[in-house]
Amino acid sequence: QVQLVQSGAEVKNPGASIKVSCKVSGYTLNELSMHWVRQAPGKGLEWMGGFDPEEGEAIYSQKFQGRVTMTEDTFTDTAYMELSSLRSEDTAVYYCATPSGYYRYAFDVWGQGTVVTVSS
Amino acid sequence: DIQMTQSPSSLSASVGDRVTLTCRASQSISNYLNWYQQKVGEAPKLLIYAASSLQHRVPSRFTGSGSGTDFTLTISSLQPEDFATYFCQQSHSAPWTFGQGSKVEIK
Repeated sequence: QVQLVQSGAEVKNPGASIKVSCKVSGYTLNELSMHWVRQAPGKGLEWMGGFDPEEGEAIYSQKFQGRVTMTEDTFTDTAYMELSSLRSEDTAVYYCATPSGYYRYAFDVWGQGTVVTVSS
Repeated sequence: DIQMTQSPSSLSASVGDRVTLTCRASQSISNYLNWYQQKVGEAPKLLIYAASSLQHRVPSRFTGSGSGTDFTLTISSLQPEDFATYFCQQSHSAPWTFGQGSKVEIK
C-alpha cells in the first residue's frame, strides 16, 4: 500500500521560492511516476507536471515552464517540487499524486496536500 | 492543450436519485479519461479510470462511459456520502488537464 506524506504548510513572500517534499512509503520511488497537482482556493485542479515513463524524464506544463523543477531522491524515496518567482496567484494547495497499479495514466494515490500562501 | 468541459457546474439532488455528469474533450482522447471525487478539505479520490474501469473499492453505483470526446459519470442511486465535487481528467497528452468540476449538493 503506497502512502505519500507531504511537508507542512508554508508562507512565502512574493518573489521567493518554495520547495515541497513528498515522502513515499510502501513502495520505492523508482517504482512510481510522481506528479504534482495544485488547487487554488475555491478553484479546480491544475496539473503542473510529472514523470513521464515513456520519456524517462519529468515533463512540465508549459504554464510553469522555467519556474518549476521536479526532482527525486531515490535514497530517501522523497520527491520534491520547487516553484520559483512566487506570486499571489500561486497561493494554493499543492498535491503530489501517482499511479500505483498497472494503469499508469490515473492518480490513485495522493498526498495530503501542502498549503502554500504567498503574501507580503 | 486539450480543454475539458464539465456539465453541469453544480446540481442539487436527493438521496436515491440517479445523477449523470458529463465531460467533453476539445479533441479526441480515446479512453484516456479519469473521474475523481473530492470532498471539502480532502485530496481527490480516483473513482473511474480509462473511461469505464471502476477503481478498487469504489462502490458499483458509480459507472463511467464514453470514448473519443464525450464521457459520462453516472451515480445510480445517490448516497449521503456522494455529495462532493467531481472532476474529469484527460491523460491522453500533456498537460493532463482537468475539467472545472461538477458540484453535487443536497436538495
